[in-house]
Amino acid sequence: GQNIDQPTEMTATEGAIVQINCTYQTSGFNGLFWYQQHAGEAPTFLSYNVLDGLEEKGRFSSFLSRSKGYSYLLLKELQMKDSASYLCAVGMDTGRRALTFGSGTRLQVQP
Amino acid sequence: GAVVSQHPSWVICKSGTSVKIECRSLDFQATTMFWYRQFPKQSLMLMATSNEGSKATYEQGVEKDKFLINHASLTLSTLTVTSAHPEDSSFYICSAIEGQQNTEAFFGQGTRLTVV
Repeated sequence: GQNIDQPTEMTATEGAIVQINCTYQTSGFNGLFWYQQHAGEAPTFLSYNVLDGLEEKGRFSSFLSRSKGYSYLLLKELQMKDSASYLCAVGMDTGRRALTFGSGTRLQVQP
Repeated sequence: GAVVSQHPSWVICKSGTSVKIECRSLDFQATTMFWYRQFPKQSLMLMATSNEGSKATYEQGVEKDKFLINHASLTLSTLTVTSAHPEDSSFYICSAIEGQQNTEAFFGQGTRLTVV
């Protein structure tokens, strides 16, 4: 079966740093994706990790440890517009390339 | 990045009628498209995988006769919800991948379906 866990909700302050964790147990693995989703909108791609380590892209960084089935998304210099849901997703396999999503973490950035 | 257009953005239909949702890749050829469903405050659940020119692969528990998927060209996939019922009300989202080797999926804007 597929099991992807991430916290339901988080709150952080504008200008601060927040880390959103994701653990996964899946039958296949073809990379770990992070998406941002604002309410009522489609997800937008943030990052993709297929090898262990940290990938940095501007204010956003993503880390992967395949042996631990663990990833995190790090958001720096938080802005109010970063208030959204953050979805952790695992690529199923190289053949189908579909994604299995976690339930998402709703991040609320406060002034 | 690549653009995926989904239409309509929202639709209200009467119970028992059918609704067609279109998903188009505007600036690339999508060999594979995916259809997801998202209920309020829940994550996206994969419904089916659609490959151009072949039958869709449905996930367990998804009725293929109720959710008809057609991927007739490399830029268009359609999802038809047949004989819709109120419990089919949801947010339907498509995504598309270019070529055979890529892994990044681009999402459409989503369609909010309300069955009354």
